[in-house]
Amino acid sequence: KAGVTQTPRYLIKTRGQQVTLSCSPISGHRSVSWYQQTPGQGLQFLFEYFSETQRNKGNFPGRFSGRQFSNSRSEMNVSTLELGDSALYLCASSPEPPLPGNEQFFGPGTRLTVL
Amino acid sequence: AQSVTQLDSQVPVFEEAPVELRCNYSSSVSVYLFWYVQYPNQGLQLLLKYLSGSTLVESINGFEAEFNKSQTSFHLRKPSVHISDTAEYFCAVSVLSGGYNKLIFGAGTRLAVHP
Repeated sequence: KAGVTQTPRYLIKTRGQQVTLSCSPISGHRSVSWYQQTPGQGLQFLFEYFSETQRNKGNFPGRFSGRQFSNSRSEMNVSTLELGDSALYLCASSPEPPLPGNEQFFGPGTRLTVL
Repeated sequence: AQSVTQLDSQVPVFEEAPVELRCNYSSSVSVYLFWYVQYPNQGLQLLLKYLSGSTLVESINGFEAEFNKSQTSFHLRKPSVHISDTAEYFCAVSVLSGGYNKLIFGAGTRLAVHP
């Protein structure tokens, strides 16, 4: 099976712009989670989608949003970019049901730089 | 609330020496623990996990971790490291939140193996 894919791998934007990142989960996985990774804050949970519905959300402002399509592919959007949004954004998929021991499979991430 | 503490942000070690990366967790419920590894410019890969049963779990590349309930620890060890083990290692605990299997990560430990 192909792994989790994320596009683009690298992105440079300027403050005030908006950005959309894409994630394709492993075939058959319907749960997709997003994480932000920064040197200062580490790995922080953004949100999780299942069957096109957001089931859980982390502590991020409303500028961060996402959605999931019927084929389980997911996108996240960040509007009005700030310098502090520079980070590696990781997507992870997992099989259902959401048993606590289920592994999350991570993609390579999208490196976003805000200038 | 569940949390994970990785006690060392960086661990330098010489090749073929043993290493231990420390992880402590706090949880009031059953715990499911993971170690993930992140190589430079890549996403996270699962190294090993503890769900139940034997408290000593092993990975295919020589790492092992021991679940210690009384000390709420899940330290990662390897008896002899290689240059290729240079990476960042994340300890994580899995919890059910809102019906969703959510990972809470520690801050990470950067392992630097020197020749």
